[in-house]
Amino acid sequence: DGGITQSPKYLFRKEGQNVTLSCEQNLNHDAMYWYRQDPGQGLRLIYYSQIVNDFQKGDIAEGYSVSREKKESFPLTVTSAQKNPTAFYLCASSMKRGLGGELFFGEGSRLTVL
Amino acid sequence: DAKTTQPPSMDCAEGRAANLPCNHSTISGNEYVYWYRQIHSQGPQYIIHGLKNNETNEMASLIITEDRKSSTLILPHATLRDTAVYYCIVRAPYNNNDMRFGAGTRLTVKP
Repeated sequence: DGGITQSPKYLFRKEGQNVTLSCEQNLNHDAMYWYRQDPGQGLRLIYYSQIVNDFQKGDIAEGYSVSREKKESFPLTVTSAQKNPTAFYLCASSMKRGLGGELFFGEGSRLTVL
Repeated sequence: DAKTTQPPSMDCAEGRAANLPCNHSTISGNEYVYWYRQIHSQGPQYIIHGLKNNETNEMASLIITEDRKSSTLILPHATLRDTAVYYCIVRAPYNNNDMRFGAGTRLTVKP
């Protein structure tokens, strides 16, 4: 089945540790995105990538880093510089071009920093 | 800034139509209206989108006013599984990085 896989689903880390969240898609989509969601809030864009080896900052990129070495993969690292990392993280993908262009989301990763 | 305004919550009786409103008074001529929903602790799911004509698919109908300043998502026969947060988003074509998810409307379908 085609889709987006995020792992791990739940993650606990101590303050000051870097954490990497995995996002893999087999939809042959060009573009991939990372969003953050806090309780009762909407989604905020962290980073996005339209093509391999290229990515752009979203609205809240500080304290996060990404890479896009393969079309299928877009991992997100939550660094120790992120002041409030506890949140629900969502990865999405879409066709780069095309009017439809709807986003397909993974099931999310819930990070708790102790 | 989200470009849309939605009521924070709504209730609907099971089997009845759920009508979810959205105001987008500053929408530009080339911006589309998109609807997504998010069931608790899952990723959002695409429902439908439109420019100015009414649209219908297997999940829902989208009614856009003639002046395009507001729209309504209609779930014709709501079920308990339709309980979710519904997001109304406007964006220009080819501009997926501008998909702004506000707080949405929390729809509760009651038996």
